[in-house]
Amino acid sequence: AQTVTQSQPEMSVQEAETVTLSCTYDTSESDYYLFWYKQPPSRQMILVIRQEAYKQQNATENRFSVNFQKAAKSFSLKISDSQLGDAAMYFCAYLGMYSGGGADGLTFGKGTHLIIQP
Amino acid sequence: DAGVIQSPRHEVTEMGQEVTLRCKPISGHDYLFWYRQTMMRGLELLIYFNNNVPIDDSGMPEDRFSAKMPNASFSTLKIQPSEPRDSAVYFCASSLGIHTEAFFGQGTRLTVV
Repeated sequence: AQTVTQSQPEMSVQEAETVTLSCTYDTSESDYYLFWYKQPPSRQMILVIRQEAYKQQNATENRFSVNFQKAAKSFSLKISDSQLGDAAMYFCAYLGMYSGGGADGLTFGKGTHLIIQP
Repeated sequence: DAGVIQSPRHEVTEMGQEVTLRCKPISGHDYLFWYRQTMMRGLELLIYFNNNVPIDDSGMPEDRFSAKMPNASFSTLKIQPSEPRDSAVYFCASSLGIHTEAFFGQGTRLTVV
């Protein structure tokens, strides 16, 4: 079974600074997808960024970028120019390529609580 | 589209009572997922449907839990009888395909006292 580990329960960063959230995963598959979701106090799960494992290029969405290291099974999220609205729980998630056998659906890490200091 | 709509937003019930959570997926999405979020276990997949058919319910914790999708625009998750350890946030999500982006509803916070 796949597992996703987020080793930082909480991170704090000054507004306008850069912060990196860590995520590692374990899988025997070679093709899969990785995601970062944001969960603000409103509880809504919002997709931040997505990475396909077969793509070597790291995904980027405005101030959000990832460092995908497939061999190391690492998928970190970098937030540049942090804003107060970035404060939330951030979840790393894994999605396997192959259906069946209970391997479907997203496997989530336990989350990192990001605090933005004004 | 208004996104995935869940109701109610909050539910407080007494132990032993039946609880029904509701979900309206995004129109045109073929997949619907039910997740549960707790402090101890994080986010877990309970069950998912493809074209209204349950595909994998291996995450459903006990027989007290059941889910249905009578049509493409509606799904329910029922707990009967409810227990205090069922207290959690329950999310519904939908997607176009099994490997495409899942859009989440705002969740139902269930408290069983």
